[in-house]
Amino acid sequence: GNSVTQMEGPVTLSEEAFLTINCTYTATGYPSLFWYVQYPGEGLQLLLKATKADDKGSNKGFEATYRKETTSFHLEKGSVQVSDSAVYFCALSIGSGGGSNYKLTFGKGTLLTVNP
Amino acid sequence: NAGVTQTPKFQVLKTGQSMTLQCAQDMNHEYMSWYRQDPGMGLRLIHYSVGAGITDQGEVPNGYNVSRSTTEDFPLRLLSAAPSQTSVYFCASSYQWDSDEQYFGPGTRLTVT
Repeated sequence: GNSVTQMEGPVTLSEEAFLTINCTYTATGYPSLFWYVQYPGEGLQLLLKATKADDKGSNKGFEATYRKETTSFHLEKGSVQVSDSAVYFCALSIGSGGGSNYKLTFGKGTLLTVNP
Repeated sequence: NAGVTQTPKFQVLKTGQSMTLQCAQDMNHEYMSWYRQDPGMGLRLIHYSVGAGITDQGEVPNGYNVSRSTTEDFPLRLLSAAPSQTSVYFCASSYQWDSDEQYFGPGTRLTVT
């Protein structure tokens, strides 16, 4: 079946440090890939996405590239801020024909804490 | 737009009690779904709906019922609460079933004692 594996947390960084959160996936077919972010006490919100191989998603200084050869979608940011402290979820969607063929699969989430 | 709203924000139940978690969206989205979030487990799909009158089971449907009588509302019913259902519940919606972006509600934190 489909699955998403992301690095275990928690991750603790100092402000302005470089961030990488690894994400790999297993899927039959050609999934779309996403990073969602959950700030404390809130629901998830879409951070970025990529729908085909070699696409790069980017938003708010975060980037991730869809690598089909390594089945990966690692999240990176060059200089994190305290306000980036949150839980980050990698996810994939795949399916066709609607209804029961649709599935959105999440990784377990990675807690990021950025200290001033 | 209010987006996706959920009520209540917090709830404590005793084992065996029943209750309904409410979810509503005002974006005219066809696709709605319920997830539960547990520590170290990520989000797991409970039930989903691709339109009014159509629902289907997700990954962990046991102990939960849903119905979709209108486009806007998608309530989740716990028939007989168990401690294993202690979790944070999120409702989400999107324009279509395969839409890139899911819009999530703020969540309901449920404790079953």
